[in-house]
Amino acid sequence: NAGVTQTPKFQVLKTGQSMTLQCAQDMNHNSMYWYRQDPGMGLRLIYYSASEGTTDKGEVPNGYNVSRLNKREFSLRLESAAPSQTSVYFCASGHNNYGYTFGSGTRLTVV
Amino acid sequence: AQSVTQLDSQVPVFEEAPVELRCNYSSSVSVYLFWYVQYPNQGLQLLLKYLSGSTLVKGINGFEAEFNKSQTSFHLRKPSVHISDTAEYFCAVSLTGANNLFFGTGTRLTVIP
Repeated sequence: NAGVTQTPKFQVLKTGQSMTLQCAQDMNHNSMYWYRQDPGMGLRLIYYSASEGTTDKGEVPNGYNVSRLNKREFSLRLESAAPSQTSVYFCASGHNNYGYTFGSGTRLTVV
Repeated sequence: AQSVTQLDSQVPVFEEAPVELRCNYSSSVSVYLFWYVQYPNQGLQLLLKYLSGSTLVKGINGFEAEFNKSQTSFHLRKPSVHISDTAEYFCAVSLTGANNLFFGTGTRLTVIP
């Protein structure tokens, strides 16, 4: 089925460890996004990529880096994880005019 | 800057009763408006959207929303809810031509048998 695929679904990290969240879409969308979801705060944009080869900061980019590897793939990296980065991370693709398609999320716990 | 306010964090309602989930936005320019639904342990799914034209927008699963420019609101309604509608609902806004959605904090709808 067409959509957005995220891996892994769950991850536990120790403070200071690094990891990369992977995201791939097969809908030929130009734009891709990374959000984090925290209780009572809705979804907040971390980074987005309007097209292959471009990335831009969103509302909460500190502590994260991204790579738009090709049109399909957009990865999110935590170089040195902190407990404040415990969250559920969602990747999405699409455009404002038509709505976004979201992945099923990665639940990350940093201890 | 634009923002989205969902005043009700939780809304309990009995099965087959009507429901309204409120959303207000602030923006000085034209906006696009969206409602998303998130079922437990899943990603967000688009319910409906307003881009232009008729202010009454119909979406999936029997939901509809009305855009009210004077009140800067985009409330979501359903005349008769089912148990399966239990989920979290997010209102979102974007500026026309922009490349980002701003989400509200969500409303958890619980349908009581």
